[in-house]
Formats: sequence, C-alpha cells, structure tokens
Amino acid sequence: GAGVSQSPSNKVTEKGKDVELRCDPISGHTALYWYRQSLGQGLEFLIYFQGNSAPDKSGLPSDRFSAERTGGSVSTLTIQRTQQEDSAVYLCASSFKGTGNYGYTFGSGTRLTVV
Amino acid sequence: AQSVTQLGSHVSVSEGALVLLRCNYSSSVPPYLFWYVQYPNQGLQLLLKYTSAATLVKGINGFEAEFKKSETSFHLTKPSAHMSDAAEYFCAVRPNNAGNMLTFGGGTRLMVKP
Repeated sequence: GAGVSQSPSNKVTEKGKDVELRCDPISGHTALYWYRQSLGQGLEFLIYFQGNSAPDKSGLPSDRFSAERTGGSVSTLTIQRTQQEDSAVYLCASSFKGTGNYGYTFGSGTRLTVV
Repeated sequence: AQSVTQLGSHVSVSEGALVLLRCNYSSSVPPYLFWYVQYPNQGLQLLLKYTSAATLVKGINGFEAEFKKSETSFHLTKPSAHMSDAAEYFCAVRPNNAGNMLTFGGGTRLMVKP
C-alpha cells in the first residue's frame, strides 16, 4: 500500500487477556520496526525485522511480548496476559534496506488500553 | 553506541516567534540525523534529514536544521511559529555504517500561543 497500515487503531482489553496488533508495511520495504510510546514518553524500541534475518528482539520488555513477520511482509505483535503498564501506543515503521540515509515511515499506531 | 538528548520536554512560543528545538547527539561514527513531527493521535512524520551532504537542511512546513559537528548538535528552527506547528517533535540518530536502527530522543512538545 501507499503507507504503513496498523490495525486496530484502538484496542481496549481486560487485564490478563492476550492481544494481537497488526502492521502492514510499505510494499518493498524490507525492514520493519515496532516501537512503544507510553504517555508522555519517547519512543521505546521493541523489535526489528530485516528481510529473512533473525529479528533483533533486544527491546522486548518481557517474555509476554513476541512478534512475527510472515513472508517478509505483514507483522503481528502479540502481548500475552496483558498488564496495565502495557497501556501505550504501539507504533510500527518500515524502511528500505540499503538506502541507509532514509528514515522510517511510520503507521498511525495502535492505542492499547488495558483495564 | 549512539544517543540523542533533546533539551526541554516542553517549549512554548508565541505565534510568529522563532521556534528553536534543541537536539544533541553522541555517535562513535558520523551519523545520519532526523527530525520527526507527531501531531495529536497520529504517527510520526519525517520533517527533515541530514545525510552528510549540506549541513543546513530544509524540511517541510518551513522548518530547517543545521548539523554542527563541533557542537554535536542538530537543532530545529523555524523563523515564525504558526498555530498549526503545535505538536511533538522527535530527533533521531543513526550511525552511517551499521544497520537501519534509529535511536530517538525523548521528544519536545511545542506549544504555540496566540
């Protein structure tokens, strides 16, 4: 598509439930990133996919968080047994590897509220 | 390793006044530098980028930033603030020799008073 698409745009879930957040990157972008933005905070890196390489998971805050990217395109971020501190906006971005000097293109984010 | 510091989490200016948002970085190699803007309830939008060409970079909406290696700074400016500039601004750095990872600063919220 023309931009990075994220769904749902808003998600309210009960504490302890699992949630799945979806990201559809720009066609042809080989790199995909997940960030988390908590209220009043900057961007916290979560995970990075580059082509068929093993993802960089160094930013995932706990083993309740996982992500996959199928076919080098769509990615799903899964949060198991959600906690109230997981409430945040989850941003996805993609970029084209090898162009180095390009920034990311961000989606509009998924606002997750855990009640 | 690289890092970004944005001085001032909140900046308030009057409409028509100069906008100056500060960004200092640390990087072990020459960096690429970026400014992003985030309007309420939206994702981040690329404002401008420095990629080792001209040190004065012009972006969208009348913003520009100057790369000063001696000061390790990449401050964002706009001569005359408009009400529509009210948003959160993020500075980001990426070393030019490794991967695609951006490191973001904590953000500066710009408020514009009428």
